[in-house]
Amino acid sequence: EDQVTQSPEALRLQEGESSSLNCSYTVSGLRGLFWYRQDPGKGPEFLFTLYSAGEEKEKERLKATLTKKESFLHITAPKPEDSATYLCAVNQAGTALIFGKGTTLSVSS
Amino acid sequence: KAGVTQTPRYLIKTRGQQVTLSCSPISGHRSVSWYQQTPGQGLQFLFEYFSETQRNKGNFPGRFSGRQFSNSRSEMNVSTLELGDSALYLCASSLVGTPNTEAFFGQGTRLTVV
Repeated sequence: EDQVTQSPEALRLQEGESSSLNCSYTVSGLRGLFWYRQDPGKGPEFLFTLYSAGEEKEKERLKATLTKKESFLHITAPKPEDSATYLCAVNQAGTALIFGKGTTLSVSS
Repeated sequence: KAGVTQTPRYLIKTRGQQVTLSCSPISGHRSVSWYQQTPGQGLQFLFEYFSETQRNKGNFPGRFSGRQFSNSRSEMNVSTLELGDSALYLCASSLVGTPNTEAFFGQGTRLTVV
């Protein structure tokens, strides 16, 4: 069974059109939720870590939030350079990171 | 500060051969984890090493193995390669490993098995 589910699988936006990516998880004993950005042919680049429900973190046009069941990555006024695959991962007690399959974001000018 | 370095970047191997991939973590990081990334399965955890000891292992067959050296550099080996082993293999380093610490990834090694 999927422990980390990301939606949508793909998202196309116009430059400046804000939206949100979703990451829902079913693991128990969450020790942290991580967001990564991955460009084609490259390794994932760390964006945020969230540890507890209600926590929020921001970086430029990105804002990540966490509830007890899901996390959102809000993208405000995106630019073409924000196009990438965004990966969510959770860390369960005693295990390694469990990744979702990602949301591929395309931003056109 | 240098990032995580993986070598080689690209590899083409024949079914039945074996392959060794290398990962040099960020200086001072003692944990190294390996992941396999494929279009269908996404990122899947292989194993984690910390201070030369395997601390966690994913659900992969015994053909996949790894080790870590005293300088924290790590290698993973895949024996008797199968077509399905074609993937991007990613290494991630962190200060003390899971849980709770940020993992930084290398560029990956693209393995193609023909």
